[in-house]
Amino acid sequence: DVKVTQSSRYLVKRTGEKVFLECVQDMDHENMFWYRQDPGLGLRLIYFSYDVKMKEKGDIPEGYSVSREKKERFSLILESASTNQTSMYLCASSYRGRLDTEAFFGQGTRLTVV
Amino acid sequence: AQSVTQLGSHVSVSEGALVLLRCNYSSSVPPYLFWYVQYPNQGLQLLLKYTTGATLVKGINGFEAEFKKSETSFHLTKPSAHMSDAAEYFCAVTLLWGNTPLVFGKGTRLSVIA
Repeated sequence: DVKVTQSSRYLVKRTGEKVFLECVQDMDHENMFWYRQDPGLGLRLIYFSYDVKMKEKGDIPEGYSVSREKKERFSLILESASTNQTSMYLCASSYRGRLDTEAFFGQGTRLTVV
Repeated sequence: AQSVTQLGSHVSVSEGALVLLRCNYSSSVPPYLFWYVQYPNQGLQLLLKYTTGATLVKGINGFEAEFKKSETSFHLTKPSAHMSDAAEYFCAVTLLWGNTPLVFGKGTRLSVIA
């Protein structure tokens, strides 16, 4: 089974802190994604990556950055956390170039910024 | 650009009744379509997907969906609801030949009443 593992299920951080959310997948997927989930808004794409050291902005990249130094790991960074970044963060991965591929999701990290 | 509209942010059905969750998509090219389910405090799990071929797709837990190109729809159904079906359901679309990330609808919360 594909496993996408997010390092924390719950996090509480203070405003202004630098926050790292880590995601690791074990299926050698090329694509990795970070989504943010908020009630009534569904899932919104923050950043994605097609390969090591490559990144693309999604729909809501402001206030976030990412790092992909190894194929299996994709990190989301909140440079200076703010209360409006309190949300559920979901990491996903998928094969590149397979037309029938779906995305596999981690369990999510619920981040609260106080 | 592709988009997804899920009609009804909340649907309530009685146990044993038909479940119908509506999804319409917008895409200028042939789409791949997905339904995901999310149980409380969990990540997303794939229910079913349409890529090519048969337009009626069967998924896990007795769910199925029919791709109707003329109606740009991909509604999710289950003949008889079970209490365990209570969850949030997301419809998603991606392009047939691109490495484009999934675009999600805003989700429909399904409640099942005993």
